[in-house]
Amino acid sequence: QVQLQESGPGLVKPSETLSLTCTVSGGSISNNYWSWIRQPPGKGLEWIGYISNSGSTNNNPSLRSRVTMSVDTSKNQFSLKLNSVTAADTAVYYCARWGIAGRPGWFDPWGQGTLVTVSS
Amino acid sequence: EIVMTQSPATLSVSPGERATLSCRASQSVSANLAWYQQKPGQAPRLLIYGASTRATGIPARFSGSGSGTEFTLTISSLQSEDFAVYYCQQYNNWPPITFGQGTLLEIK
Repeated sequence: QVQLQESGPGLVKPSETLSLTCTVSGGSISNNYWSWIRQPPGKGLEWIGYISNSGSTNNNPSLRSRVTMSVDTSKNQFSLKLNSVTAADTAVYYCARWGIAGRPGWFDPWGQGTLVTVSS
Repeated sequence: EIVMTQSPATLSVSPGERATLSCRASQSVSANLAWYQQKPGQAPRLLIYGASTRATGIPARFSGSGSGTEFTLTISSLQSEDFAVYYCQQYNNWPPITFGQGTLLEIK
């Protein structure tokens, strides 16, 4: 059974870069799409973007210029970088598998999420 | 961008009763719609995909219906563990993938 786990700093200073990694266990990162989703405290879900095992990406236009995603198939990991962060980027960040067998769709499974706070 | 609108924002239902949650898309998403359940402090959990297909391990009391722009999640007989926030998500037109704002299902 595929499981995902986010890791990274829980506190980032304004204007700096938020960096998170998602480790996939119980299955291969290959032949799938992987996504990042975030949820500000007490609010709804926002899709950040996806990356495939081959490294192709697409992001939410609202964040596109600040987002970079990468994949390391040798470690079964994918990563997110969000630059020039502000307090509005404070959220729980989730990683998730997007779709199945390389076809985009729903998100399942999800990581447990990691809270990232932007504050000086 | 496709806007997903869920109603009501809060639904109060007694255990054992039926709950009906709605999700409307600003344009057709065909049947490319998923539903999720989220409990406090937990990640969302996939319930339904393809508008009406239950995900693995989801009890039969959860059912989804609809296509185009109007969708419904029905929980036939509420159990105590069903009280949570529910989100719909479209994956027909992207980017971006979009979610509804959520419906809080609370105990009456």
